[in-house]
Amino acid sequence: DSGVTQTPKHLITATGQRVTLRCSPRSGDLSVYWYQQSLDQGLQFLIQYYNGEERAKGNILERFSAQQFPDLHSELNLSSLELGDSALYFCASSPRSLAGMKGEQFFGPGTRLTVL
Amino acid sequence: EDQVTQSPEALRLQEGESSSLNCSYTVSGLRGLFWYRQDPGKGPEFLFTLYSAGEEKEKERLKATLTKKESFLHITAPKPEDSATYLCAVQSYQAGGTSYGKLTFGQGTILTVHP
Repeated sequence: DSGVTQTPKHLITATGQRVTLRCSPRSGDLSVYWYQQSLDQGLQFLIQYYNGEERAKGNILERFSAQQFPDLHSELNLSSLELGDSALYFCASSPRSLAGMKGEQFFGPGTRLTVL
Repeated sequence: EDQVTQSPEALRLQEGESSSLNCSYTVSGLRGLFWYRQDPGKGPEFLFTLYSAGEEKEKERLKATLTKKESFLHITAPKPEDSATYLCAVQSYQAGGTSYGKLTFGQGTILTVHP
């Protein structure tokens, strides 16, 4: 158990809908990262937050957004869902307190999103 | 742009048959190279971090090494419970010398160990 929690574990929804994925980082970790894992693309970085502020963006679609709250939990919002958005979505947190410092990331169990 | 290539894509071993997995990388400036293990439907599990060429790390039957262009994950006398996908990732310096922690992953090596 990495100490990172994600809910829900599974999510099944229809095209055009909007969903919210939730992540709680490990105790004391200020950085949260979101990744998407699909069969054809592998693990892709989406976005990073540090202590409530967005710090880096990767291959994140405009239909997707995220935020980190004062209690450090984070939410990833996916809207106008398409079939191609079906994937595993992982949250990770880092024990380093400052952006720019080295450090491994610890991953949660993921949310499996299925868009029908 | 950072790039990570892992080989082979899949590896089948007999229990006790040692082997190595390769991770080749291209980055502008390496901050760290990471190895993860991932079981089907689960999140990646952190194994090792390597920071500089020549560095080695060991854990049970696994040993990770790093050169300026690639990393190897050596598996000694593997057991069926070592079957998993092994992922390699790099973290690099961005323009201006900053790094925001983003990991760039390879596609992984699927390891199957038969009893």
